Amino acid sequence: EAQVTQNPRYLITVTGKKLTVTCSQNMNHEYMSWYRQDPGLGLRQIYYSMNVEVTDKGDVPEGYKVSRKEKRNFPLILESPSPNQTSLYFCASSLWGASTEAFFGQGTRLTVV
Amino acid sequence: EDQVTQSPEALRLQEGESSSLNCSYTVSGLRGLFWYRQDPGKGPEFLFTLYSAGEEKEKERLKATLTKKESFLHITAPKPEDSATYLCAADSGGGADGLTFGKGTHLIIQP
Repeated sequence: EAQVTQNPRYLITVTGKKLTVTCSQNMNHEYMSWYRQDPGLGLRQIYYSMNVEVTDKGDVPEGYKVSRKEKRNFPLILESPSPNQTSLYFCASSLWGASTEAFFGQGTRLTVV
Repeated sequence: EDQVTQSPEALRLQEGESSSLNCSYTVSGLRGLFWYRQDPGKGPEFLFTLYSAGEEKEKERLKATLTKKESFLHITAPKPEDSATYLCAADSGGGADGLTFGKGTHLIIQP
């Protein structure tokens, strides 16, 4: 089954404690991206990757890091989480670029206290 | 700056009552206009992509249309299972390579 898998689904952490949210896709897609979804603000892109070892900033990259060492995996790293990063996070993949159908993961609800 | 605005924010319809959702966009060089459906607690699910003004696409009770400034999602004779949040997104040639999303229309279909 074609899917994008994120882990964990729920996470509560404390300010400053480094964390990683994993994302994996099984469709051999070139393009992957991370979004955050906040009430009243909608979905906003954090980072994206056009291919292995190629990543770039989206609209709200501050406080986040990503890596793309393998085609299937695109982890999101919060080196020092802060309460304003409390949000619902989605990973997505598409065949190539943002102009092709995106498949989204189930989401990770992060709370930073 | 690219902008995507959806209206209304929320819409409550009776089963079988047809209506339309609006998505207006201001982007530099539209490469694609997307519609997604999002159910509570889940990630968005792809519905349609439209690439040029005048294009239309249909799927079951849904039809999406595109003009140079806006897109409509027409829902014909909706059923309760059509209840969801509908998201519109634009891919433009400017800025970061990614989708700019609207805030969504929360649609409720009452039996």
